[in-house]
Amino acid sequence: GESVGLHLPTLSVQEGDNSIINCAYSNSASDYFIWYKQESGKGPQFIIDIRSNMDKRQGQRVTVLLNKTVKHLSLQIAATQPGDSAVYFCAETPNSGGYQKVTFGTGTKLQVIP
Amino acid sequence: GAVVSQHPSWVICKSGTSVKIECRSLDFQATTMFWYRQFPKQSLMLMATSNEGSKATYEQGVEKDKFLINHASLTLSTLTVTSAHPEDSSFYICSAPQIQETQYFGPGTRLLVL
Repeated sequence: GESVGLHLPTLSVQEGDNSIINCAYSNSASDYFIWYKQESGKGPQFIIDIRSNMDKRQGQRVTVLLNKTVKHLSLQIAATQPGDSAVYFCAETPNSGGYQKVTFGTGTKLQVIP
Repeated sequence: GAVVSQHPSWVICKSGTSVKIECRSLDFQATTMFWYRQFPKQSLMLMATSNEGSKATYEQGVEKDKFLINHASLTLSTLTVTSAHPEDSSFYICSAPQIQETQYFGPGTRLLVL
């Protein structure tokens, strides 16, 4: 089945600490995963992506980890800043090739405490 | 980077009227665009896939006669909410893939039906 968000869990983190946001996806055939950041009243903003043939990918201050065995995805944010406060969504597409529709998971609201 | 715009950013209308929302890819061509709807504190739910030169593909449970989609050109897709009712009040977001799989989202359109 598809991941559907019905509620919004919240993660509160002290400024400067590292944040870890977790996501469980449902489709074992998914090939491509993306993390999006959504600020209030705005559209989702691409953060980082990873393909199913990888288990880790790093960006600037962000790292995505993929565990296909347990269908788990995580986003790590180093040295969290107030500007990181937003809702974070993991998303998946079924397979590579062509323009695939994106299925969003349940979002997590990140609150950074100054 | 790729930019997707939406117009209007917000709209208030009376029940029974129709509302048109535009989605434009500003610096790239998009043969496919996606329309999502997001209710407060919930995830994005895909409504339909807009295809340039052919009919849109709607997700299960989305009324195609109520949510009319027209992909007029390689840079423009429109979503018309016909005979809008208060339950149609939501945040409507479009996306367009510039390269395979990586999608760029518009800023969203907030619709309030009185």
